[in-house]
Formats: sequence, structure tokens, C-alpha cells
Amino acid sequence: AQKVTQAQTEISVVEKEDVTLDCVYETRDTTYYLFWYKQPPSGELVFLIRRNSFDEQNEISGRYSWNFQKSTSSFNFTITASQVVDSAVYFCALSEEYGGSQGNLIFGKGTKLSVKP
Amino acid sequence: DSGVTQTPKHLITATGQRVTLRCSPRSGDLSVYWYQQSLDQGLQFLIHYYNGEERAKGNILERFSAQQFPDLHSELNLSSLELGDSALYFCASSVAGAVVNTEAFFGQGTRLTVV
Repeated sequence: AQKVTQAQTEISVVEKEDVTLDCVYETRDTTYYLFWYKQPPSGELVFLIRRNSFDEQNEISGRYSWNFQKSTSSFNFTITASQVVDSAVYFCALSEEYGGSQGNLIFGKGTKLSVKP
Repeated sequence: DSGVTQTPKHLITATGQRVTLRCSPRSGDLSVYWYQQSLDQGLQFLIHYYNGEERAKGNILERFSAQQFPDLHSELNLSSLELGDSALYFCASSVAGAVVNTEAFFGQGTRLTVV
């Protein structure tokens, strides 16, 4: 069965610290997609990244970077030099090409990140 | 702004009542997905429509129903409401028939409170 686990429920850091949010997934499909979404206090879900299972290259976008490792079924998200505006709940999600979650997203429980000034 | 519009933003209603949540997808998007976010269940997929037809069902209660209209907007109908239905309901849209083929963009959600 498909599953996404975000073991860190809450993380608190001080501004300018680097922080890594962990995501571990389970799937039987060989073709799948992984996503990260941000939910700021205002409540909307903001798309951050989509990565397919055949692309294990790490990705960097400004202060954000993602590390995808199929060997450990992990898709971790790092924020470098965190800022107060990064405070939000971050969700990792999985979608399978052929499995039960085809056409929709299976979300983890989310990690609440608090960045203190 | 994701381009997905949900109305209303907030809704307070009594148990036993029926409500309708509305979603307008991004221009050009044919798929609409509904999700429920509650404290105990997290984000749960409810239902997916593509170009007017139901594509997939998730953990959607029988008291809930949805449809997608010819102009591609969608409505989620919740009836015989219970206290446990209080949640944030999200609509998302994507251009393709499956979220695997493209990213899904979410609206700001409708916060439903059942009292």
C-alpha cells in the first residue's frame, strides 16, 4: 500500500539556521511522483516541487533543495539560511502512475516548521 | 495566487444541514480534485473529476457528492452534516487527467464549521 511518513511533527529553528524536513514513502509502483507543498498560516497549499521516480538528481531552487534517494525511499527537503517567512506546515506527497493513488496525492501528516527571529 | 477559486472561504452551519462548496479551476485545467483536511485525518483525497466525468473516488462519505459542470467548475455537496465534518476542504486543479502528469494547484480552501 502507498504511504508517506513525515516523522518530524514539529521543528523549531532560529533564523539563518539550515533545516531538513524528512519524508519517507512506500509504494509498489516503479513509476511514481513525489511532491512537496507548503501551507503557511493563511491556510492555502502552495506547490513547491514535483519529482518523478526516474530522476534522482538533487534539485536546488534558491534557498530550497531536495534530496531524492530511491535506495532509502526518501525525498528530503532542506531550507538553507531559514527565514521567519518559512514558518509553515510542509507536506510531502506521493502519486503513483498505476497504483491506487493514480490521479491523486497521498499526503504525509506534515511537519510544522517554526522559524524564530 | 494559484488561480483556483473556492467559495465561500468560511461556512458555519448546524448539524443535519446541507451545504455546497464551489470550485473554479485554473483556466485551461480539465481536472478538479477535492480534499478534506482535518486535525485527526490530515489531508485526505475525496474525489477527482476530469472534463465532467468522475475519475477516482477516495475516502468520500456517502453523504457527500460532487459534480463537475460543462464550464468545468465543480461543486462538492455535503449533507446531513455532523460535527466531525468540520474541516478545511480544498479543491485542486490540473491540466491533465492525472496528477502524475503535471502539478496540481490548490485553492485557498473552504473552512467548514458544523455546530
